[in-house]
Amino acid sequence: EVQLVQSEVEVKKPGESLEISCKGSGYSFTSYWMGWVRQMPGKGLEWMGIIYPGDSEIRYNPSFQGQITISADKSINTAYLKWSRLKASDTAIYYCARRPTGGGLDSWGQGVLVTVSS
Amino acid sequence: EIVLTQSPGTLSLSPGERATLSCRASQRVGSNFLAWYQQKPGQAPRLLIDGASTRATGIPDRFSGSGSGTDFTLTITRLEPEDSAVYFCQQYGSSPPETFGQGTKLEIK
Repeated sequence: EVQLVQSEVEVKKPGESLEISCKGSGYSFTSYWMGWVRQMPGKGLEWMGIIYPGDSEIRYNPSFQGQITISADKSINTAYLKWSRLKASDTAIYYCARRPTGGGLDSWGQGVLVTVSS
Repeated sequence: EIVLTQSPGTLSLSPGERATLSCRASQRVGSNFLAWYQQKPGQAPRLLIDGASTRATGIPDRFSGSGSGTDFTLTITRLEPEDSAVYFCQQYGSSPPETFGQGTKLEIK
């Protein structure tokens, strides 16, 4: 069974750094893209970027580039989303999701609520 | 960047009826790489359709996708109360970014 398990809820202050994780199991981690999607409170889905752990190719949404860093450690089947300086406007649920080449996001993590508040 | 516009914003229908949801792209979606997702409150999205018309594993045949180029449709027949959700389309043919539509809320009353 394919599973994506994300790290726990985070409460941070503006200016702090944060890294959240997404561990894949039940499939070949290096053979699928892993994407990150933001959902702000009560809003729609925003595609942030995607990584192919097999060769570490990364594609960022220009709207998020420079604000986040996407990475993966294929030795432990885990993808990461990192901020160096959080803002209040980063408050949202963040999902990781697996994407086969040529397919849609077919398996999703449970989501991580990140709250940034002073 | 390809902008996806979904319509209508909200759709209210009765059980047993048919729902037709539209997703229009600002430019052609390469290889018809267009997906549809269902999201219920408090849950992660679920893939329904990709490649514009291929149902994902375990999705009932009441859900069907059609279209090509810039105009795509999700059709749900024989509506059930559990179909109440927000539905999003997404294109992944032009990357980055792989954009989402703003969503259509489907209410079954």
